Amino acid sequence: GAVVSQHPSWVICKSGTSVKIECRSLDFQATTMFWYRQFPKQSLMLMATSNEGSKATYEQGVEKDKFLINHASLTLSTLTVTSAHPEDSSFYICSARVLGQNTEAFFGQGTRLTVV
Amino acid sequence: DAKTTQPPSMDCAEGRAANLPCNHSTISGNEYVYWYRQIHSQGPQYIIHGLKNNETNEMASLIITEDRKSSTLILPHATLRDTAVYYCIVKLPAGGTSYGKLTFGQGTILTVHP
Repeated sequence: GAVVSQHPSWVICKSGTSVKIECRSLDFQATTMFWYRQFPKQSLMLMATSNEGSKATYEQGVEKDKFLINHASLTLSTLTVTSAHPEDSSFYICSARVLGQNTEAFFGQGTRLTVV
Repeated sequence: DAKTTQPPSMDCAEGRAANLPCNHSTISGNEYVYWYRQIHSQGPQYIIHGLKNNETNEMASLIITEDRKSSTLILPHATLRDTAVYYCIVKLPAGGTSYGKLTFGQGTILTVHP
């Protein structure tokens, strides 16, 4: 199957700082990528849909100014958590779908963010 | 996308078949049934999907009832590494307005024991 890579796998940052998470499709092109967040013992919650070359679409309740998404190419989307606070500590996961194909979505390995 | 109902947890002995049920009584005619699993602290992994025919791949089999209101994921010979949360998701095919995004429920925690 197709490979989606996230970087970093884990990160610890101080309150008030910003953290950038990268999501790359390694062997395919993805016009659309998705960002999810998962708190401990909970299911994945979709945060936003990232579209190459256009603005991301955010789910209700997700602050677009806090979670900046950039999808500058067909293989890379980034999520920046701005002015991070301890309550932003979570597992962030991206997924991507192969361009032009009615296939399943492939997920990255996730990024564990801890804000101290 | 139609709602799904899964048991919160199941146990299975190593080497035996694991049968994970999913109810999706409000599924519409063009919605697919997808199964993903998530091993602890990893991203979800695609397992299998189907529309109305039974499907089989190297990982699992998917049995969909004739009325499509329920399905069963079968892991034929479960191993300890199959311990994970299994998600049954019903959705329209990618390419429509849903773009392929997935709505995850709580899933079933499958524990495979020696």
